[in-house]
Amino acid sequence: GAGVSQSPRYKVAKRGQDVALRCDPISGHVSLFWYQQALGQGPEFLTYFQNEAQLDKSGLPSDRFFAERPEGSVSTLKIQRTQQEDSAVYLCASSLGALAGATGELFFGEGSRLTVL
Amino acid sequence: AQTVTQSQPEMSVQEAETVTLSCTYDTSESDYYLFWYKQPPSRQMILVIRQEAYKQQNATENRFSVNFQKAAKSFSLKISDSQLGDAAMYFCAYRGPGGGADGLTFGKGTHLIIQP
Repeated sequence: GAGVSQSPRYKVAKRGQDVALRCDPISGHVSLFWYQQALGQGPEFLTYFQNEAQLDKSGLPSDRFFAERPEGSVSTLKIQRTQQEDSAVYLCASSLGALAGATGELFFGEGSRLTVL
Repeated sequence: AQTVTQSQPEMSVQEAETVTLSCTYDTSESDYYLFWYKQPPSRQMILVIRQEAYKQQNATENRFSVNFQKAAKSFSLKISDSQLGDAAMYFCAYRGPGGGADGLTFGKGTHLIIQP
């Protein structure tokens, strides 16, 4: 596609519900990142995929957070048993390259705003 | 771990004037990338300007330019002839030499207000 697409743009969940957030990266982009952005803060790294391989999940805040990219394109971030502290904007970004020598630029989607009541 | 610090939570400038947003960072690497991203209320991060650390020349993109001081680990953004459309959150970001394996580390952002 022309850009990174995320859905839903807005999600309201009751505490304890499971949610799934979708990211459709730019076609052909190897690298895919998920970020969490709390209100008034900068984005914080959650996890990184190179094609279908999840190479870094060190930023996931708990085992309630799970991400996958089974075919190396679309990715889903799943949050189980949501808590109020999970309320944030979840940003997805993709990048063409995988290794050093890439331009370094990440292309971002518009994010999914999750509100947990 | 890399850290990025933006010491100005909010800046205000008159339309058509010049404003400088500051950013400092901490890293032990010698080769890396630095970025300024703009985030309007629509939430989409838009790349404003990029600087490769091995390049001594400061990057420039139309009205946007940077002052990159590698020894001081400083990377400020200058916006000339400010326009109403420049109003947004601005984030400074660092990316390590590992290419795809290194995601961005962001500062907390500066809210830029443009006064007509």
